[in-house]
Amino acid sequence: QVQLVESGGGVVQPGRSLRLSCAASGFTFSSYGVHWVRQAPGKGLEWVAVISYDGRNKYYADSVKGRFTISRDNSKDTLYLQMNSLRAEDTAVFFCAKDRERYCTGGSCPFDFWGQGTLVTVSS
Amino acid sequence: DIQMTQSPSSLSASVGDRVTITCRASQGIGNYLAWFQQKPGKAPKSLIYAASSLQSGVPSKFSGSGSGTDFTLTISSLQPEDFATYYCQQYNTYPFTFGPGTKVDIK
Repeated sequence: QVQLVESGGGVVQPGRSLRLSCAASGFTFSSYGVHWVRQAPGKGLEWVAVISYDGRNKYYADSVKGRFTISRDNSKDTLYLQMNSLRAEDTAVFFCAKDRERYCTGGSCPFDFWGQGTLVTVSS
Repeated sequence: DIQMTQSPSSLSASVGDRVTITCRASQGIGNYLAWFQQKPGKAPKSLIYAASSLQSGVPSKFSGSGSGTDFTLTISSLQPEDFATYYCQQYNTYPFTFGPGTKVDIK
């Protein structure tokens, strides 16, 4: 069965960095785009970034552009989110989610499965 | 960016009730609209994509409709496991955007 398992969350000081991982199993990871979505405590969902199945196409929310970098290692079936210059407002649970369709590029593909999330707390 | 709104923001309903939630996009998105269910402390669950197509394993009591800017999610007969927050999302254009959510609780 499809599984997405996030890790790497924790407490970090403002201005510092953190790298999140999302380990995939149960499907051909290299055929699917994957996204990061976050949810601040008590708030709604915010899309963060996406990377295409082959890693060539990446898109970011304006709120993280220039600070966060999405990447993937298809040999390890793992998605990453490198987060630099963290701010208090980045405090959130970060979820990864996969495209429902293979080989989707440029958007217009829905999600299907989500991971359980990992909590990032930015605080001094 | 495309703004998504939902109404109502919350509703109280009884088991067996028919519930309808509305989602509106700030510009036309065709049928690139998804619905998600989220329970407290849990990850979102994908319910519907392409405005009206059920994700695999989602019961047929959930249905979606609409195109362009106006969409609805209907739960035909509310059951205890359906009490949750529901979000719509447009995936027509990056950045993908979510509605603010509709919390469905027990009357």
